[in-house]
Amino acid sequence: DGGITQSPKYLFRKEGQNVTLSCEQNLNHDAMYWYRQDPGQGLRLIYYSQIVNDFQKGDIAEGYSVSREKKESFPLTVTSAQKNPTAFYLCASSPPRGAANNQPQHFGDGTRLSIL
Amino acid sequence: DQQVKQNSPSLSVQEGRISILNCDYTNSMFDYFLWYKKYPAEGPTFLISISSIKDKNEDGRFTVFLNKSAKHLSLHIVPSQPGDSAVYFCAASRGYNFNKFYFGSGTKLNVKP
Repeated sequence: DGGITQSPKYLFRKEGQNVTLSCEQNLNHDAMYWYRQDPGQGLRLIYYSQIVNDFQKGDIAEGYSVSREKKESFPLTVTSAQKNPTAFYLCASSPPRGAANNQPQHFGDGTRLSIL
Repeated sequence: DQQVKQNSPSLSVQEGRISILNCDYTNSMFDYFLWYKKYPAEGPTFLISISSIKDKNEDGRFTVFLNKSAKHLSLHIVPSQPGDSAVYFCAASRGYNFNKFYFGSGTKLNVKP
């Protein structure tokens, strides 16, 4: 079954530590995204990647880093510089957008990160 | 500055009646609009979309209406079922080579049996 796998589902971090959230997709999608969701708020874009070895900052990239070494994988590192990392993190992917072929993003089930 | 807004954080509807969820946007360049449904502790799942060349798209019990002049879209669910209880997000994107979406803050729908 094709889909997006995020792991772990729950993650706890001590202050001052970096943590990496995993996102793997087998949908053969070119584009991948990381979002953050806080209570009562919509999804805010952290980073996105259109192709392998390329990625761009989203609206709230400070304190985060990503890599895109493989098409299937787009890990997100939450660094100690992120002041308020406790949130629900969602990874998504989508095929390239053609002129007459709008495609929705497909989401994983998320990782909830908490600070100890 | 939020470009997509859902001004109603919650909506409660009786089973069998119509649910109407609303969404407003500010960027006239948006040309593709979607609705997602989200259950707690899960990722959003795609529900229905509409291109700016249309003003209505229907899929079973779900219909999305787009009013470009008002920069407003709505999702109608008829008839509403208890299983429809979830948070609904609207999203919009514009004509670039990839889908960068802007999401609203969501509306929590509660369908009462």
